[in-house]
This record gives sequence, structure tokens and C-alpha cells, in this order.
Amino acid sequence: GAVVSQHPSWVICKSGTSVKIECRSLDFQATTMFWYRQFPKQSLMLMATSNEGSKATYEQGVEKDKFLINHASLTLSTLTVTSAHPEDSSFYICSASQGAGEQYFGPGTRLTVT
Amino acid sequence: QKEVEQNSGPLSVPEGAIASLNCTYSDRGSQSFFWYRQYSGKSPELIMSIYSNGDKEDGRFTAQLNKASQYVSLLIRDSQPSDSATYLCAAPRTPYSGGGADGLTFGKGTHLIIQP
Repeated sequence: GAVVSQHPSWVICKSGTSVKIECRSLDFQATTMFWYRQFPKQSLMLMATSNEGSKATYEQGVEKDKFLINHASLTLSTLTVTSAHPEDSSFYICSASQGAGEQYFGPGTRLTVT
Repeated sequence: QKEVEQNSGPLSVPEGAIASLNCTYSDRGSQSFFWYRQYSGKSPELIMSIYSNGDKEDGRFTAQLNKASQYVSLLIRDSQPSDSATYLCAAPRTPYSGGGADGLTFGKGTHLIIQP
């Protein structure tokens, strides 16, 4: 199946700092990438959808100025958590697709804000 | 609002038996459904996708879709301890979407335990 990578796999940062998470599709060109967030013992919640070269579409309740998404190429999307706070601590997971059909998930990035 | 419902479990099944996982959805327009397996601390892994009424088999896994009753199920035959995980049912957020172009709505997942 298609392979999606994320970097870093885990990160600890101090409150008020920014963190960038990369999502790459390794063996296919992803026309669309998605960012999800998963809090402990909860299911995945979609944060935003990004298409290469376009502005991301954010879900209701997700602050676009806090969670900056850049989809600069067909194989790379980045999520930057700006001015992170402890309540932003979560498991951030990206997925990628080639269009209609299945989404393939990256391994996730565990963010801890102290 | 579109909802995907699953029994959170835990569902305990003896090794070698058939595990049956169920999911219901609220949007009658939903056309495609996905089952993901998620181990603790890991990201979801796609197990099966199903788009048409009826059964779809892949190895030990069988997905079943009944659009009239708005339910999707996943059967795991010859259950192994390594099948112990949380199984997530998902559907595209937009009806009539194939899935890849739209974000997914996930159920809360069913925690499956295979007892050796």
C-alpha cells in the first residue's frame, strides 16, 4: 500500500513556542492531504483538508491562525502549531490520498506542550 | 450532522473464533465505508474499504454493507491475539464522495480483545 511518513514522531515543546510537523507521501503523489487530531481515548477528528497549491479548508472550531497548514507540493504538507499551549497536546495524524478512494495515514506525531 | 456509531466494547473473543464488529451510520447518502485498525499509540491502518451492498472478502477479513439498514460490519475469521486492537469505522464527510477527496468521519472505535 501507499506509504505516508511524518516527522517528528514525537515532540515536547514549551508553552508559547511553535512546532512544525511534516507529512510526506513517499511513493505516490497526494492530491489531497488531511490533518487529524486524536485526544486520549477519543476518535480521530478532522482538523483541515489541504490541496496542493491551495489554501487549506479548516473544520469548524479549528483556528486557522493557530494551526498553519502549507501544502507546497504533491508529496509534502506541513502543520505548524503556533503559540502552543498545554491543551494543544495531542496525537496529530496526517493522511494522504490520490483522489477518490482510500486515505493512507502517517504514523502520527505526539505533541506534548509543557 | 453525519454520525458514525460503534459500540466501544471491549469485545472479547476467544482465539480462533469469529470476531464481529458493527457500525451504523446516519447519512443515507453515504456511499463508501472504511475499516481501520488502530493499535494503542499508533495511527490507523486501513483494513478494508467497501462501496457496494453485500460482502467483500480479503483474507481473514470480510466487510459487509447494508445500505437499506445503514450498517456496516467487519468479520474477522480465525481471530489471533495480534488482532487485538481498536477498530474504527469511517465514512466520508460528504455524501456521494469516494473518500479520498474528503475528510473522514470516524466512529469512536470498538476495542477488540482476542483471548489466547
